Amino acid sequence: EAGVTQFPSHSVIEKGQTVTLRCDPISGHDNLYWYRRVMGKEIKFLLHFVKESKQDESGMPNNRFLAERTGGTYSTLKVQPAELEDSGVYFCASSQSVTGETQYFGPGTRLLVL
Amino acid sequence: SQQGEEDPQALSIQEGENATMNCSYKTSINNLQWYRQNSGRGLVHLILIRSNEREKHSGRLRVTLDTSKKSSSLLITASRAADTASYFCATVNYGQNFVFGPGTRLSVLP
Repeated sequence: EAGVTQFPSHSVIEKGQTVTLRCDPISGHDNLYWYRRVMGKEIKFLLHFVKESKQDESGMPNNRFLAERTGGTYSTLKVQPAELEDSGVYFCASSQSVTGETQYFGPGTRLLVL
Repeated sequence: SQQGEEDPQALSIQEGENATMNCSYKTSINNLQWYRQNSGRGLVHLILIRSNEREKHSGRLRVTLDTSKKSSSLLITASRAADTASYFCATVNYGQNFVFGPGTRLSVLP
């Protein structure tokens, strides 16, 4: 069974540009999560989808970040326009259960904004 | 202040020694989970301990949970070079999302 995959693995962009990150969860997992780790700090929750609906987006830093999960399968996270402080590693995770059981993480996308 | 703070932030030991990492948290939890991240890789789930459990084992891993002190420890016995990684605890409250600590960077020297 394939795990959670993320694309791209790395992205280097200039301030003001747009970047779109993609996450493919484990097949059959209704729950999809986005997290971010900035500069070696703690991993912070961004948002949670249940199928195509946003269950919780309380961790989204500002309106430059837009997450979608059309069709309830893969998800995209777009940053527009990117700022220097957006640099970090963006992780995606998926789970079957929403009650706090194990989440399966992807390898992350390393974003560097210059 | 943050939930799920690991201690120490960095730990360096010799192969064969035991490694102990601690995690403290502030709010009530449903369960606590430990994850490992190898350099350049994603997070790998290691073990989950529920709030009504005090100790759990999985291979060379031993996790304890003290809800009265709001703390957990992860013990890796007979460490190997392959155990070199960052270790994170994540606290989970029912219906809410994971809260991770900053992690402990473990280096196991051959």
